[in-house]
This record gives sequence, C-alpha cells and structure tokens, in this order.
Amino acid sequence: GAGVSQSPSNKVTEKGKDVELRCDPISGHTALYWYRQSLGQGLEFLIYFQGNSAPDKSGLPSDRFSAERTGGSVSTLTIQRTQQEDSAVYLCASSPTRGTTNEKLFFGSGTQLSVL
Amino acid sequence: AQKITQTQPGMFVQEKEAVTLDCTYDTSDPSYGLFWYKQPSSGEMIFLIYQGSYDQQNATEGRYSLNFQKARKSANLVISASQLGDSAMYFCAMREALTGTASKLTFGTGTRLQVTL
Repeated sequence: GAGVSQSPSNKVTEKGKDVELRCDPISGHTALYWYRQSLGQGLEFLIYFQGNSAPDKSGLPSDRFSAERTGGSVSTLTIQRTQQEDSAVYLCASSPTRGTTNEKLFFGSGTQLSVL
Repeated sequence: AQKITQTQPGMFVQEKEAVTLDCTYDTSDPSYGLFWYKQPSSGEMIFLIYQGSYDQQNATEGRYSLNFQKARKSANLVISASQLGDSAMYFCAMREALTGTASKLTFGTGTRLQVTL
C-alpha cells in the first residue's frame, strides 16, 4: 500500500482480555516502530524492529506487552490481560533504513484502544 | 531529565499572523536530528521539517521554518501566515546517534495550536 496501514482503527475490549493490534508498514521499509499516545499526551516509544536484528524492547511498559514482526514486514502488538490504563492510541511507524539521524518516520493512523 | 521539552500546552494565533512554537532539547550527543510533526484532529502524524545538528543554516519548508539555536539547545518552529488548517497538535522530536538508541524518535508532549479568524 501507499502508506502505513493499521488495523483495527478502533478496538473496545473488557479488562482482562487480550488484544492484538496489526501494522502493515510501507513496502520496502526495514524499520518499524510502535508508539503509544495516551489522551492529550505525547508519543511514548514502545518497541522498534530493524530488519532481522533483535528488536529494541526498551519501551515496553510491562511483560503484558509483546510484539513480533513476521517476514520483516507485518507486525503485531499484543497486550495480554488488558488494564484500563492501557487505553490509548497505538501508533505504528516505518522508515526506509536503519534510523540515521535524518530519517523521518511515516506513521499510520493508529488504533484507538479502549479498555472498559 | 526530559529529552524534549515543549512548554506551551496551547497557543492561539490569528489567521495570517506568524506564530512560534517552542522546543528545547537535552542531549550530550554531538550528532542528532530534530523533527517537527503536525497531528490534526484526524490523528495522523504529518512530518513538517527536519534540522540536523551539523546543519549550518536553519531549515525551511514552505511556510515552516526552524529557528535552530544550538548553544541554547532550542529548535523552535515558526509558522508564517497562519491558516485555519494549521490548527492541530504540534510535536517536536529528536533522534540521537548514540549507539543502541540510534533508532527511536523521542517526542515532546506537544503544543495545541488554534488559529482564529
């Protein structure tokens, strides 16, 4: 596709349930990022994938959060046993290469997660 | 310490006027990049402008310019001739070249700009 695609655009779940959020990056982009944006806040880094390298998981807030990237393309962010504080917009971004200082990110439209 | 600080939670500007959105940053890395993104109410993040730490001149992109003051560690965004469509959240971000953290953009908390008639 022309841009970064995320699905679903909205997800409502009950506390304690698991959710999966999907990101399809721009074709050919080797770097993929997940960010979280809580209401009215800035973007909080979660995890970063670069090609076949081990992901940078330094931003994951707890072990309930995990992510994988299959075949160097599509990524899935999984949140287990969701809590109300997980409610946020989850943004995915991709970039062409390995994140040099001048390389901008291309963002998807995000998944709005609401945990009841 | 915050890597990126945006001290203006909200700003108002009249249509056709210029406005400056403040951003200060903190890094010990001599090589870094500074970015501004716009986020309209629809939610998408739109790249506006980039400034490299070694760039000698301030970056400009159409009505956007970046007032880069390296010694003061500030990278303010200037929007000239504001338009109603400029109403949005604006985020300043930085990427450092430090090994192990070279990849991610660190964002500020944003400034909400409202353009009025």
